[in-house]
Amino acid sequence: SQTIHQWPATLVQPVGSPLSLECTVEGTSNPNLYWYRQAAGRGLQLLFYSVGIGQISSEVPQNLSASRPQDRQFILSSKKLLLSDSGFYLCAWSSGRVVDTQYFGPGTRLTVL
Amino acid sequence: AQSVTQPDIHITVSEGASLELRCNYSYGATPYLFWYVQSPGQGLQLLLKYFSGDTLVQGIKGFEAEFKRSQSSFNLRKPSVHWSDAAEYFCAVGPGTGANNLFFGTGTRLTVIP
Repeated sequence: SQTIHQWPATLVQPVGSPLSLECTVEGTSNPNLYWYRQAAGRGLQLLFYSVGIGQISSEVPQNLSASRPQDRQFILSSKKLLLSDSGFYLCAWSSGRVVDTQYFGPGTRLTVL
Repeated sequence: AQSVTQPDIHITVSEGASLELRCNYSYGATPYLFWYVQSPGQGLQLLLKYFSGDTLVQGIKGFEAEFKRSQSSFNLRKPSVHWSDAAEYFCAVGPGTGANNLFFGTGTRLTVIP
């Protein structure tokens, strides 16, 4: 069966510091991968998605970037964090089919102080 | 443009009572609809989905949802709520642009009174 991991689970970082969040998927190959942010009291905002290694699409302009160095690894990064980057970050995967379900990881709670 | 509206931000029900969470969508083609549940500090778990076929879909934990094209709705129901159902519920529609992207509603928080 497929599983999706995210780490760290929680992170507290000062403003201006770098960020690296990691997501890995097991039990499937060539998945579509997604990064979402969930701000307090709001729904999920899609940040990035990837259909293959090195292929990243950005949905909104922001202080963040994403990379996919391996087939089942998806990394969310920032060079300098802003207060507004605080939130709950969720990684998800789906198969490569046009229509399919997205399955979510446990999330990372980021607090920028 | 695709969008999802969950008009109820917060709902409180008594344990054992019935539940209906509303979801309205705007979508230019055949919608693919999902309900997810999120416990505090956790990721999202899929409750059920509608791709095609029977408009009444059954999900996990005793939930069901009915797709009504004429009303652009996909409301979630449960006949008897359990205390463990307290969580946040998200409706989503897809695919959007790109690779199977989903558009989420802002969620409905469910509180269950013993």
